[in-house]
Amino acid sequence: DAGVIQSPRHEVTEMGQEVTLRCKPISGHDYLFWYRQTMMRGLELLIYFNNNVPIDDSGMPEDRFSAKMPNASFSTLKIQPSEPRDSAVYFCASSFSDFSGYTFGSGTRLTVV
Amino acid sequence: GQQVMQIPQYQHVQEGEDFTTYCNSSTTLSNIQWYKQRPGGHPVFLIQLVKSGEVKKQKRLTFQFGEAKKNSSLHITATQTTDVGTYFCAGKGDMRFGAGTRLTVKP
Repeated sequence: DAGVIQSPRHEVTEMGQEVTLRCKPISGHDYLFWYRQTMMRGLELLIYFNNNVPIDDSGMPEDRFSAKMPNASFSTLKIQPSEPRDSAVYFCASSFSDFSGYTFGSGTRLTVV
Repeated sequence: GQQVMQIPQYQHVQEGEDFTTYCNSSTTLSNIQWYKQRPGGHPVFLIQLVKSGEVKKQKRLTFQFGEAKKNSSLHITATQTTDVGTYFCAGKGDMRFGAGTRLTVKP
């Protein structure tokens, strides 16, 4: 298994631009999570899906952030418009069940200038 | 939601010394997971504890779950430079992680 695959690995964009982060979870995993990691706030849960349905999006910072999971093998996290304070590493993770460990992707390092 | 607190925030040890990080919750946890993140890397799942008072070992790492299921600890015996990284606990239920303990090891 290739693990959780995220793209791109690095993204540099200008303030105001739209950014789309992509994630392919491990086949057969029913849960998908989006996390954001910064030095100041640590690892924050943004949203998670179960069987492609968003369950908890209370961590999504504001309306500029949106996440979708159109099918079991693909999810996107979109920021529109992006701001410098969105600069962080964004991780996608998946798990087989609610009680199994998470497998994280390698992350997308986003820099908004 | 439940709050998971980790202490200490940082720990610097001499190679060969022991290291312990603690995870405390304000509410009872259904289970707890531990992860390790190497510098520049992503969190990697280490272990899950489910039962009250549970103790599990992985080579030099010992994990404990408190009797009340509100706290947990990770103990590393005789640290090595390969142990460098940030150790996170995550209390299942709300999928949120503690702030982590960053371990540095001086050779």
